[in-house]
Amino acid sequence: QVQLVQSGAEVKKPGSSVKVSCKASGGTFSNYAINWVRQAPGQGLEWMGGIIPISGTANYAQKFQGRVTINADKSTSTAYMELSSLRSEDTAVYYCARDLEVVAAGFDPWGQGTLVTVSS
Amino acid sequence: QSALTQPASVSGSPGQSITISCTGTSSDVGTYNLVSWYQQHPGKAPKLMIYEASKRPSGVSNRFSGSKSGNTASLTISGLQAEDEADYYCCSYAGSSIYVFGIGTKVTVL
Repeated sequence: QVQLVQSGAEVKKPGSSVKVSCKASGGTFSNYAINWVRQAPGQGLEWMGGIIPISGTANYAQKFQGRVTINADKSTSTAYMELSSLRSEDTAVYYCARDLEVVAAGFDPWGQGTLVTVSS
Repeated sequence: QSALTQPASVSGSPGQSITISCTGTSSDVGTYNLVSWYQQHPGKAPKLMIYEASKRPSGVSNRFSGSKSGNTASLTISGLQAEDEADYYCCSYAGSSIYVFGIGTKVTVL
């Protein structure tokens, strides 16, 4: 049973970058996409992008193109999401979630979430 | 990609059935049978309830069912229970490894 464990909460200044990690354990890592989803306080879920570790191919939501980078380290079964040029609106809980074994069918499991606070 | 449309809130009494709609376009829901539904309790990570529009993961109660017709997907909760009170989100594949979520629906058990 795959489990995803994310890095801890971060506090960042506007204009800086943040890098959140997502480590998989207990199952296959490389063959299934890892996605990143964020949730601003009191708001809904927003898909940011995803990566297939075995190929290194990443895809991003148009909204985040140029500001987000997702990569993966197969040797440590860890995916990373880096968001740059942070602004207050980026304050949110960031989740990683793995694709089901049926491609594009849904996301399970999810990481526990990482709170990123952007404040001067 | 615009967010999928869901009602802001739906409510029902214990034991009743409720249905949450999720309306997209011919570019996402209408083209792909790849709609999933998530339940989220306050302060918790989302939980997958339905995938491929109508399939239930192991361990999810059979009180939850999904369907799709045209550009609209639906989640039905039958025999509503207090523990079903949560936020529910739909999500659709939109091609080219892109996904879009719905705006979310708050379910209240009266």
